Amino acid sequence: EVQLVESGGGLVQPGGSLRLSCAVSGFTFNTYWMTWVRQAPGKGLEWVASINLDGSEKHYVDSVKGRFTVSRDNAENSLFLQMISLRVADTAVYYCARETPLRAGYAGGAFDIWGQGTMVTVSS
Amino acid sequence: QLVLTQSPSASASLGASVTLTCTLSSGHSMYAIAWHQQRPGKGPRHLMMLKRDGSHNKGDGIPDRFSGSSSGAERYLTISSLQLEDEADYYCQTWGTDIRVFGGGTKLTVL
Repeated sequence: EVQLVESGGGLVQPGGSLRLSCAVSGFTFNTYWMTWVRQAPGKGLEWVASINLDGSEKHYVDSVKGRFTVSRDNAENSLFLQMISLRVADTAVYYCARETPLRAGYAGGAFDIWGQGTMVTVSS
Repeated sequence: QLVLTQSPSASASLGASVTLTCTLSSGHSMYAIAWHQQRPGKGPRHLMMLKRDGSHNKGDGIPDRFSGSSSGAERYLTISSLQLEDEADYYCQTWGTDIRVFGGGTKLTVL
């Protein structure tokens, strides 16, 4: 069964740090780009970061550049999001997702498998 | 700038059909998109990838009632024989080499 399971969310004070994990099973992890998406309470979906097959290429939404770092461990079939200098505006449910491209070898694609999400609350 | 535009809300009667629209920004009419469904209190669920020629690949287990089509910069999601379980938020999503973009979402109400 294809499955993505996020963990690591919680309550953190503004300026604090948190590391999210996404455990992957059911497909060959190292052949897919992977992505983090977030959803603030009552708001729409927002792309956060994407990482390529071997972790050598990473892209971020402007609002998290310099504060968030996406990484992966292909040996452990895991995706990570290190978040520092957290702000109240970062409060959201964070989802990991698999990207499937239009054509093999191309960057970007449809988010075709989603995890269940992990809640991050930034508050004093 | 790559932008997707969706109407905030739509409604249709139980058993009827409804078409949701996602519009690509100027200069990006050739882009493929994906449609995702998010039921209340749940995570997103991938429905389909939709190309500029209207061909689409649906996700596992997506009913035949869901179909996609394209015209110019518009990408459509049509749901036929509406059921109560179709009441949800629907998001379109696209991508470039260094960016991923969501539309603002359409909240579908089944009357």
